[in-house]
Amino acid sequence: AQKVTQAQTEISVVEKEDVTLDCVYETRDTTYYLFWYKQPPSGELVFLIRRNSFDEQNEISGRYSWNFQKSTSSFNFTITASQVVDSAVYFCAPYPNFGNEKLTFGTGTRLTIIP
Amino acid sequence: DTEVTQTPKHLVMGMTNKKSLKCEQHMGHRAMYWYKQKAKKPPELMFVYSYEKLSINESVPSRFSPECPNSSLLNLHLHALQPEDSALYLCASSQEGQYNSPLHFGNGTRLTVT
Repeated sequence: AQKVTQAQTEISVVEKEDVTLDCVYETRDTTYYLFWYKQPPSGELVFLIRRNSFDEQNEISGRYSWNFQKSTSSFNFTITASQVVDSAVYFCAPYPNFGNEKLTFGTGTRLTIIP
Repeated sequence: DTEVTQTPKHLVMGMTNKKSLKCEQHMGHRAMYWYKQKAKKPPELMFVYSYEKLSINESVPSRFSPECPNSSLLNLHLHALQPEDSALYLCASSQEGQYNSPLHFGNGTRLTVT
């Protein structure tokens, strides 16, 4: 069975602080994809990143960075120097590499940046 | 601006009404999706269309009826809904089926059933 866990339900940090959102994906599959989506108060989900389980290199995009460690099944997301516009719900979403299965979202982490 | 457009943004309907939600994309994507999202919950997949054919129905009640008139349009027809169907309905598209292509979402239709 596959299981995605976002243990942090809600996080609040003061603007300009760094914050890390955790995601743990437990699976017996050796190959899979992991996605992160952002859902601001306006409602639409915005695609942030997709990583393949074979690629454990960290990725950085501006203030965003992702750390994937297959050994611990974790795919964590860090925002550096947070801004009020980062306030949103962030979903981790794994997808198996094979088969026509649905994209399953984690329960999400609500991030609030306090000005 | 989102490249997937959903109308209306808000909809209030009675349990005996018939209404439709509309979704449109012009990115040339061949897969389109309907998701339902209750408050403080993650989105849940309802339907997937791939190349204008229904490929996944997640055991959704028949009071929800999807339609894909062409590769750019996706409708969700609503009839005899229940108050518990009140939710945010999100449309999404992707380049191909349910595989590794990122989904592009619309802003959603916030539905209230009275």
